[in-house]
Parts: sequence; C-alpha cells; structure tokens
Amino acid sequence: QKEVEQNSGPLSVPEGAIASLNCTYSDRVSQSFFWYRQYSGKSPELIMSIYSNGDKEDGRFTAQLNKASQYVSLLIRDSQPSDSATYLCAVNIPTGNQFYFGTGTSLTVIP
Amino acid sequence: EAGVAQSPRYKIIEKRQSVAFWCNPISGHATLYWYQQILGQGPKLLIQFQNNGVVDDSQLPKDRFSAERLKGVDSTLKIQPAKLEDSAVYLCASSSLRDRAVHEQYFGPGTRLTVT
Repeated sequence: QKEVEQNSGPLSVPEGAIASLNCTYSDRVSQSFFWYRQYSGKSPELIMSIYSNGDKEDGRFTAQLNKASQYVSLLIRDSQPSDSATYLCAVNIPTGNQFYFGTGTSLTVIP
Repeated sequence: EAGVAQSPRYKIIEKRQSVAFWCNPISGHATLYWYQQILGQGPKLLIQFQNNGVVDDSQLPKDRFSAERLKGVDSTLKIQPAKLEDSAVYLCASSSLRDRAVHEQYFGPGTRLTVT
C-alpha cells in the first residue's frame, strides 16, 4: 500500500506570515515529488516539483525533501489571501509512471 | 503549449443513465490518467494509459466504468449505469517523460458530474 499523508487542516495563517505544509510518504522507491494547489471548484495546478534532497526555491515557494525521513514540505513565504486553497502532495513511482496523492491540506490566509 | 482539454465541464444525469467524458492530453504526452475526486478528498486514480495500452485499472469499477484511448491520443471515460455515489469531479491528466526520473503531470479542468 503506497500512502501519502498530509494534515488535512484547516491551517490558518495571517497575511505576510510563513505557511508550512507537510507530507509524508510510505514507499521508499518514490523518486519525484510534487505540490499542487487546488482552488475551490478548480482542478489541481502544479506549483512545485522536487527530485533531490534539500531545498528548492521558486519565488515565494520553497519545497524541502528529505528522502531518509520520507518527508516533503512546502513553505509559502509572505502568504497572501490569494494563497488560500487546498494543497495536494503527490509522489511519483517511476516504475509505471504512477502518481499517489495525499488528501490535501486546506490553507486559509487571513487578511 | 495547449493544456489538457476536457468536455463537458458539467453534467447532470439521473441514476441508471449513462454518461461519457472526453479528454485530449497535452501534445506529445504518452501517459494519460483518469481520476475521480470526491469533495474533500485527493484524486483517486481510475485508469492509466501509456500510449493506447492500459497500465493500471485496478481501481476502475469495471462493472459500470469503461475507458478507451484509441490511437494513443484522445480518451473517453464512460459510466453505464450511473449511481448516486458516482457524483464527483472527473479529472483527466497527462504526463511526459523528461529525463529518466521526472514525470510532471498536468490536469485538465475536470468534469463535474451530478447524479440525481
């Protein structure tokens, strides 16, 4: 059973603060990791991908990967109300090119 | 580059009726996925195609759901007969191989199905 676990939240942060979203996965053969943002009534939008241990920064977003601990996180700096959404963590198993999703963390940024 | 296209965007049917959804993946993407997403949950894989072959359909309710990907491009997902619990958003996604360890996946806008 390949599991991806996220805290469902809701997570509330004030505008301008750092939002921290966490994800753990069970399958050690996972090689690629992704964060999707999903606004209410919309489809998931890919916002970050990470493949190597360490940090990857893209604008206000930083993804962090620790394969030894089977842990991936997403930090959102200077959070804006427009960041309010559900964030889905996904892992990719290269054999068969399969993706496994968590249930998502609901983030609310309070003005 | 055009994204993943899906139609229709919304569909309302009565239980026991049939419905079909269409998906056109990003050009050149060999892998196509159909997911079911129920409110408050993550996407659940129904079926995965690699070109026109099925890679994984282990979670597809085969007594009522069917899918095909003729010619390895467009795909159709069908439900017949529909049940109330099939009310969900049906998402199509596609993925390409970009070096050996990277498989970025992109979603279409989805079809919101309501079964009454």
